[in-house]
Amino acid sequence: KNEVEQSPQNLTAQEGEFITINCSYSVGISALHWLQQHPGGGIVSLFMLSSGKKKHGRLIATINIQEKHSSLHITASHPRDSAVYICAVLTISSGSARQLTFGSGTQLTVLP
Amino acid sequence: DVKVTQSSRYLVKRTGEKVFLECVQDMDHENMFWYRQDPGLGLRLIYFSYDVKMKEKGDIPEGYSVSREKKERFSLILESASTNQTSMYLCASSPGGWGVRYEQYFGPGTRLTVT
Repeated sequence: KNEVEQSPQNLTAQEGEFITINCSYSVGISALHWLQQHPGGGIVSLFMLSSGKKKHGRLIATINIQEKHSSLHITASHPRDSAVYICAVLTISSGSARQLTFGSGTQLTVLP
Repeated sequence: DVKVTQSSRYLVKRTGEKVFLECVQDMDHENMFWYRQDPGLGLRLIYFSYDVKMKEKGDIPEGYSVSREKKERFSLILESASTNQTSMYLCASSPGGWGVRYEQYFGPGTRLTVT
């Protein structure tokens, strides 16, 4: 069983639709990141969450620490939102360094 | 802004060649990471370093080695490239310590093809 599981793996939506991507995890120290990767490879951080909800523009991220589950929502989706969305959980290495354990990503395609 | 640069965006090498991938960060970060990314498998950690000359194996270190002689530079070495090492390689850096918000900053990636 993967330590960080995302669903769905692929998602196609029409412009304007409300989108939800889910992340469940079995490891971690109560901090979760949502990342975005556009075609070409560059990865940027969208949110870091340790509780509750965060909002940035049309993006909303929520986390339930007790259930070890997080969701990323996109309101009024747009073709420029097309990207891979990755959740990652903060973990501790055997050498006591902080690192991230990643989900396999969700490929989102928003059609005009 | 943090900048993480990688030596090549695209690289084509032959089976058996020695391959060097270089990563440089300009924010004086203690931690640096090398990942490979494959469809359906996501980002997998190869090696990371939490200080100069220090390294720690990640989840898939076999067939790879690393070098960190200076704080800003972290090299990934494929001693004898094989076709199953064809992948996207991503470098990242992050600040050390526990009193700061944790975030990893990624380079643009190197798409390596081994033929």
